[in-house]
Amino acid sequence: RKEVEQDPGPFNVPEGATVAFNCTYSNSASQSFFWYRQDCRKEPKLLMSVYSSGNEDGRFTAQLNRASQYISLLIRDSKLSDSATYLCVVRRPSGGYNKLIFGAGTRLAVHP
Amino acid sequence: SQTIHQWPATLVQPVGSPLSLECTVEGTSNPNLYWYRQAAGRGLQLLFYSVGIGQISSEVPQNLSASRPQDRQFILSSKKLLLSDSGFYLCAWSVGGAETQYFGPGTRLLVL
Repeated sequence: RKEVEQDPGPFNVPEGATVAFNCTYSNSASQSFFWYRQDCRKEPKLLMSVYSSGNEDGRFTAQLNRASQYISLLIRDSKLSDSATYLCVVRRPSGGYNKLIFGAGTRLAVHP
Repeated sequence: SQTIHQWPATLVQPVGSPLSLECTVEGTSNPNLYWYRQAAGRGLQLLFYSVGIGQISSEVPQNLSASRPQDRQFILSSKKLLLSDSGFYLCAWSVGGAETQYFGPGTRLLVL
């Protein structure tokens, strides 16, 4: 079982739709949580951190449920430019430093 | 501002040939440096990380090695490539133990 699990998708949605991605993690020592965005054949870029109280950045809302070890990302009013792969990432201690563990990503395709 | 460079951008190599990928960071001192590999449809896998010159930690046993000859230079090498070494190699940096890692543009390696 992967330490960070995501539905690979693809999620095909029309412009303006609301779409939600889920992620689960298995290691309870995980301390910090993030969503990264990766465009096709490009490097991942940090989209947003995820806080226990939930946080919002424009059209993007991230939520964390530590008890269930579950993270979500909600995108409202989808734009064509939101088409990308969204990576769920957790950070946990490993051998004296903090390590990032990446999910395989959920692919989003927004169509006109 | 900080920038991270990787080269080459793409590489096609025969099985058994050597490999050298280079990563340099500008605009910061004493960064933590990381090498990741992303295979098709899979999450990023941490290969090596370094907290300083000459200090390399390996995450998984493999056909690759890493070196950090200068503060802002990180090199990934192999003496003899295998088919399974094909993938997207990403270098990343962070400020000390900071949570956020920033990725370079990556090198796409195809071993034939």
